[in-house]
Amino acid sequence: NAGVTQTPKFQVLKTGQSMTLQCAQDMNHNSMYWYRQDPGMGLRLIYYSASEGTTDKGEVPNGYNVSRLNKREFSLRLESAAPSQTSVYFCASPGEVGGSPLHFGNGTRLTVT
Amino acid sequence: AQSVTQLDSQVPVFEEAPVELRCNYSSSVSVYLFWYVQYPNQGLQLLLKYLSGSTLVKGINGFEAEFNKSQTSFHLRKPSVHISDTAEYFCAVKRGSQGNLIFGKGTKLSVKP
Repeated sequence: NAGVTQTPKFQVLKTGQSMTLQCAQDMNHNSMYWYRQDPGMGLRLIYYSASEGTTDKGEVPNGYNVSRLNKREFSLRLESAAPSQTSVYFCASPGEVGGSPLHFGNGTRLTVT
Repeated sequence: AQSVTQLDSQVPVFEEAPVELRCNYSSSVSVYLFWYVQYPNQGLQLLLKYLSGSTLVKGINGFEAEFNKSQTSFHLRKPSVHISDTAEYFCAVKRGSQGNLIFGKGTKLSVKP
């Protein structure tokens, strides 16, 4: 049981390049989230998906798009990367009960030069 | 809008000393409260959570937290820390059973021998 799996673990992009971060969960959860983590800023919600076929903006959605491909997979796309998007990105998924904790992937460390 | 304030960005402490990491939240409705820990180069793991009931919550690795509704606080404590507790700790609040999780900016605990 892997929980939440993210790929890649590391990525370096040049300004203007595009890429997609992949996330998959094997827990049969409905909800999935994308966060970014920056020093001194905590985790900020980029986008979330409450169920297959739905996505909603979080706190910092600008410059990103998402796709909920199926119940397992939730991808995050940077169409034209900018240095301000240098960050560590985490995918997460909570259990179905209201107080269930988030299960996190191990993160993708992205550097945009 | 709800928010989470972690009052200390860094807490240095000697091994076997007690520690308290402070967290205050703002919300006018019932909330669920969480503490997560992040070890270097890893994702976040749940330490403990408060949903309802007893205001003193015990978690993993000897940590505990006390929910104080009148002071809107959820401080994390450990009576005797170990070197292995060196990590970043995040307080998080969820508004009711359907809200998104809002994170504080984190407190870096550094345990010195």
